[in-house]
Amino acid sequence: QVHLQESGPGLLKPSETLSLTCTVSGDSVTTGNYYWSWIRQPPGKGLEWIGYFFYIGSTNYNPSLKSRVTISLDTSKNQFFLNLYSVTAADTAVYYCARGLGPAPKDYWGQGTLVAVSS
Amino acid sequence: SYVLTQPPSVSVAPGETASITCGGNNIGSKSVHWYQQKPGQAPALIIYYSTDRPSGIPERFSGSNSGNTAALTISRVEAGDEADYYCQVWDSSGDLAVFGGGTKLTVL
Repeated sequence: QVHLQESGPGLLKPSETLSLTCTVSGDSVTTGNYYWSWIRQPPGKGLEWIGYFFYIGSTNYNPSLKSRVTISLDTSKNQFFLNLYSVTAADTAVYYCARGLGPAPKDYWGQGTLVAVSS
Repeated sequence: SYVLTQPPSVSVAPGETASITCGGNNIGSKSVHWYQQKPGQAPALIIYYSTDRPSGIPERFSGSNSGNTAALTISRVEAGDEADYYCQVWDSSGDLAVFGGGTKLTVL
């Protein structure tokens, strides 16, 4: 069974960098045609796709966040990461990592982690 | 960018059939994916590539997609189906995944 778990700080100040880790078990981030993805959900609102790292090494990001985001992999630890730079209160959300069957459909999700941005 | 439009809410009595729509320009030419999200939980994929069900998803859940409207149909609705439902597509022109705004299904 595939399991994903997000980890990282829950509170940031404006202008800081949001750094989250997704630890994958039951699968390898280097095998299969999977898109290792991040999605977020502001409190009480809908889902927003952030981007993905495709296992062969390519990335794709939401154009609205592209200038501030990077997604990377650590194959030795079977983890992938999200870095979102220069955060503001608008970045407050539950952040989910997920495995993508394709660029869009996500079949396994982490439980999500709430990140709040406040001074 | 590509916009997906869902009704904010749908209500249905237990045992009846619920239909949740997802509108988009020529959405019938795209693959549509549907997620169920219960309070405090992560979304769960229930329909992918417009009509396929992941293993473990009951046959009561089905998808269709044609023209400018995709739909998620839930037959014989149960109290446990009460949740938010989101549609999603890949916008190839904008090169991003797009979600609909979500529909809250209430079981009366």
